[in-house]
Amino acid sequence: NAGVTQTPKFQVLKTGQSMTLQCAQDMNHNSMYWYRQDPGMGLRLIYYSASEGTTDKGEVPNGYNVSRLNKREFSLRLESAAPSQTSVYFCASGRAYNEQFFGPGTRLTVL
Amino acid sequence: GENVEQHPSTLSVQEGDSAVIKCTYSDSASNYFPWYKQELGKRPQLIIDIRSNVGEKKDQRIAVTLNKTAKHFSLHITETQPEDSAVYFCAASIWYGGSQGNLIFGKGTKLSVKP
Repeated sequence: NAGVTQTPKFQVLKTGQSMTLQCAQDMNHNSMYWYRQDPGMGLRLIYYSASEGTTDKGEVPNGYNVSRLNKREFSLRLESAAPSQTSVYFCASGRAYNEQFFGPGTRLTVL
Repeated sequence: GENVEQHPSTLSVQEGDSAVIKCTYSDSASNYFPWYKQELGKRPQLIIDIRSNVGEKKDQRIAVTLNKTAKHFSLHITETQPEDSAVYFCAASIWYGGSQGNLIFGKGTKLSVKP
């Protein structure tokens, strides 16, 4: 099993460009999550999906949109990237009140 | 809403010493408390977790204790080794509303073990 996979691993964007981060899991989890990690700030939840067909805002949703394509896939879209969105992005999957499994992360730089 | 405070933000110990990281949470209904280890450039990975019906849990050199009355939980690492050097995150589960079961993370503790 691959666990949680993410693409791309690295990305550099110019301000105003758009991109989509892809995430997939093969553990049959209902819940999937997108976090961003900034130095000294821990892991902050951007959006989550408690089940296929549902998505909800987390702590820091502004500037992002998500799509739960099916049970396996959960994508994060930046419509108009800003330098403040420079961060490391982690996708995770799991079951409520249980361990979350993280993907390898995407390091995004917005110039 | 739930809030998790983690201390210290950095911790330096000598190899073989013990390390303790403490977290407090605000929602008394939280019932699941995991600890994650993140090595440099890697993803966070679960190292141990505890549920609210248990006061202490051990796994070899790692232990977690939970004090529900005081709403705090701690990670204890004994006989530290250089490979224990990493950032450690605590988390607590949310009990209420539509985000039930989600985790709120502390800001992390960077542990350095000096040989």
